[in-house]
Amino acid sequence: QSVLTQPPSVSGAPGQRVTISCTGSSSHIGAGNVVQWYQHRPGRAPRLLIYSDTQRPSGVPDRFSGSKSGTSASLAITGLQAEDEADYYCQSYDSGLYVVFGGGTKVTVL
Amino acid sequence: EVRLEESGGGLVQRGGSLRLSCEASGFTVSSNSMSWVRQAPGKGLEWISVIYSGEITNYADSVKGRFTISRHNSKNMLFLQMNGLRLEDTAVYYCARGGVYSTGPGAFDIWGQGTMVTVSS
Repeated sequence: QSVLTQPPSVSGAPGQRVTISCTGSSSHIGAGNVVQWYQHRPGRAPRLLIYSDTQRPSGVPDRFSGSKSGTSASLAITGLQAEDEADYYCQSYDSGLYVVFGGGTKVTVL
Repeated sequence: EVRLEESGGGLVQRGGSLRLSCEASGFTVSSNSMSWVRQAPGKGLEWISVIYSGEITNYADSVKGRFTISRHNSKNMLFLQMNGLRLEDTAVYYCARGGVYSTGPGAFDIWGQGTMVTVSS
């Protein structure tokens, strides 16, 4: 059981917008800890998509955006592309700056 | 080029030991927070350990007392000594750089390709 809760799967047609939720508690996201998002394709290293709730590292397309409110965060992917098919993970911190991950969400492009 | 490369995975019996290595290039391991993250078959990512630039270490409860993270500054390498291995430690183990985009040890911006550890009964 992961500390942060994500839906197991979401899907969308090419060009559509999908969102992935990440729900924590007052011990994690609700305590003001920042949220990161990663993309993980099979057989490849995970890739940092979003840091500090809403920021994108250089090289990440602006189709990916992050938001946070209260004890939850969300990742939105607009203009869905076939290459976006992957697992997505949120990450935040517990008390004492222990790293915690969500259970992951599989994005399927229909 | 900034990269990480893990090695040392393999098949080990329950209760055995294994030492994973992670070689860094393009940046200095000792100047960054470095973590180990694992992914069991069919499961999600699980953070297990961090070593900060000041050599302070931290561990997830699942490995505390069994695993030890360390680094070799002159070789620019990170290590994970795993003792008392359990079946549930079977996973792909990744080393990752954190702390560049976050005040905490996360926001892992550089990852290795991973090394597989299989614990057999």
